[in-house]
Amino acid sequence: DVKVTQSSRYLVKRTGEKVFLECVQDMDHENMFWYRQDPGLGLRLIYFSYDVKMKEKGDIPEGYSVSREKKERFSLILESASTNQTSMYLCASSYWAAGGGEQCFGPGTRLTVL
Amino acid sequence: KQEVTQIPAALSVPEGENLVLNCSFTDSAIYNLQWFRQDPGKGLTSLLLIQSSQREQTSGRLNASLDKSSGRSTLYIAASQPGDSATYLCAVRSMNYGGSQGNLIFGKGTKLSVKP
Repeated sequence: DVKVTQSSRYLVKRTGEKVFLECVQDMDHENMFWYRQDPGLGLRLIYFSYDVKMKEKGDIPEGYSVSREKKERFSLILESASTNQTSMYLCASSYWAAGGGEQCFGPGTRLTVL
Repeated sequence: KQEVTQIPAALSVPEGENLVLNCSFTDSAIYNLQWFRQDPGKGLTSLLLIQSSQREQTSGRLNASLDKSSGRSTLYIAASQPGDSATYLCAVRSMNYGGSQGNLIFGKGTKLSVKP
């Protein structure tokens, strides 16, 4: 089974801090994704990557950056955390396939910014 | 722009009942459609993936159908159990969003409660 792990289940940070959220997958998937999930808004795509050192903006990239130095690891960075970035953050990965492979999700990180 | 709608937003049924969850999408140009389950405070678990060329997929008590031309998918759960209580999310991989891999566009989910 594909396993996607995220570095923390719960995280509390202060406004202005730099925050790193780490995601690791163990199935050699090419594609990796970062979403945030908020009540009433559903899941929204922040950034995605189809290959090492490659990144593309999703629907809501403002205030975030990403890093993919190794195939199995995709990091989400909040350069200067703000209270409106309090949310559930979900990482996902999938194999490369024409039309996209099945996406598998990690357990999520609940981030609170005070 | 692709939009995905799930109705109803919440559903409560007695144990043992067969039930259908609905998903509709506005643009039929899709690669595939994926159904997920999410327990409170947890990540998403993939249930079924239906390719655009397929009509249905089955896994145990779950059966998902796809009618691409009408922009509809249903998730059928047979003989529901209290352990099926969760939020069920539908997501389509649109040809017009995300390039050759087509990124997922999610509905807001149906919250299912199965009463013992």
